[in-house]
Amino acid sequence: GAVVSQHPSWVICKSGTSVKIECRSLDFQATTMFWYRQFPKQSLMLMATSNEGSKATYEQGVEKDKFLINHASLTLSTLTVTSAHPEDSSFYICSARDTGVPNLAKNIQYFGAGTRLSVL
Amino acid sequence: LAKTTQPISMDSYEGQEVNITCSHNNIATNDYITWYQQFPSQGPRFIIQGYKTKVTNEVASLFIPADRKSSTLSLPRVSLSDTAVYYCLVGDGGGSQGNLIFGKGTKLSVKP
Repeated sequence: GAVVSQHPSWVICKSGTSVKIECRSLDFQATTMFWYRQFPKQSLMLMATSNEGSKATYEQGVEKDKFLINHASLTLSTLTVTSAHPEDSSFYICSARDTGVPNLAKNIQYFGAGTRLSVL
Repeated sequence: LAKTTQPISMDSYEGQEVNITCSHNNIATNDYITWYQQFPSQGPRFIIQGYKTKVTNEVASLFIPADRKSSTLSLPRVSLSDTAVYYCLVGDGGGSQGNLIFGKGTKLSVKP
């Protein structure tokens, strides 16, 4: 099955530093990847849609200058949390859709294992 | 995207069959119904997807009535390891972004 690798799985950083999270589709190409954030005991909240070769689309209320997204290839998207603060501490999850599937209407997405970010 | 409604939580015992129902009254013609499972501190995992009638795979079955306004995920003979949050999502994926909007999900607790 399709595998999405997310790295790192866990990161602790000091307030004011930047953290980069990588999301890779290992055995398929993904022109579109998605970034979610999940707070404890809550559901996943879509932050942005990452498009290969173009600018990401951010959901309302998500600061694009704070959460930088780069989708430089068909298998890699990165999310950089810039100048992180304690309120950015959360569980970040990426997903990718296999655009090689003929029927995109089925829209099965494959998720990474998530990254636990703790900002001190 | 169609809004979904699921029970917040369910309890079961090992070996029982568990049925989780999801309501999606405003489902569109092109929408598929997809279920995901999420364990704590992990990303969601695809379980099953269907459009109408019944779909079965090695993990679960999905029952969809003719009007498609609801669907039922059936987990046969659950074990402790099936304790997780289950999300029902409805969408066509053919939109400009194909993003998924997650509802609150159903927290299933399986007891020995």
